[in-house]
Amino acid sequence: EAGVVQSPRYKIIEKKQPVAFWCNPISGHNTLYWYLQNLGQGPELLIRYENEEAVDDSQLPKDRFSAERLKGVDSTLKIQPAELGDSAVYLCASSLVAGAYNEQFFGPGTRLTVL
Amino acid sequence: QKEVEQNSGPLSVPEGAIASLNCTYSDRGSQSFFWYRQYSGKSPELIMFIYSNGDKEDGRFTAQLNKASQYVSLLIRDSQPSDSATYLCAVRGGGSYIPTFGRGTSLIVHP
Repeated sequence: EAGVVQSPRYKIIEKKQPVAFWCNPISGHNTLYWYLQNLGQGPELLIRYENEEAVDDSQLPKDRFSAERLKGVDSTLKIQPAELGDSAVYLCASSLVAGAYNEQFFGPGTRLTVL
Repeated sequence: QKEVEQNSGPLSVPEGAIASLNCTYSDRGSQSFFWYRQYSGKSPELIMFIYSNGDKEDGRFTAQLNKASQYVSLLIRDSQPSDSATYLCAVRGGGSYIPTFGRGTSLIVHP
């Protein structure tokens, strides 16, 4: 079974430029998460999707970040414009359904560097 | 604000020893507890989960949960250099499906 796929793996951009990350969850997983992980910190949730519906997006900086999950499968996270402080690893994870007891599986992440 | 606390370390143990990693959490309503291993430059990988008070063993790993004291620990027996990584504690439940992660404890197993 294929795991969570993310692309690109690395991205270097200049500040004020736009950037987009793509995620393909494990087949059949209805719940998709986008996390941000800074160096030396644990992952912090940006947004959670239940199928096509975005829920738990209170931590998403909506002035510059946007996300979508068309058809309830793949998802894209966009930043426009990027700021220096956005440099981090962006992790996508999926689980079969939401719930306290459901395991999350993480993708390899996208390491973003904003210059 | 739900908090999950871990000592950032590094915790250094000799090969073959028992490594003990600890995690405390603030939300008494938490229901599920996860330990992830994260190698440098890699994504978190689930290694253990526990829901009930007591111990849960899986190979060289044992998770221990004490809800009354609000802590969860991970023991790694016969530590190997390949166990050197950051171990993230994640806590979930209490009315939310969103896990809260600790900052992780760096473990170094030296030969």
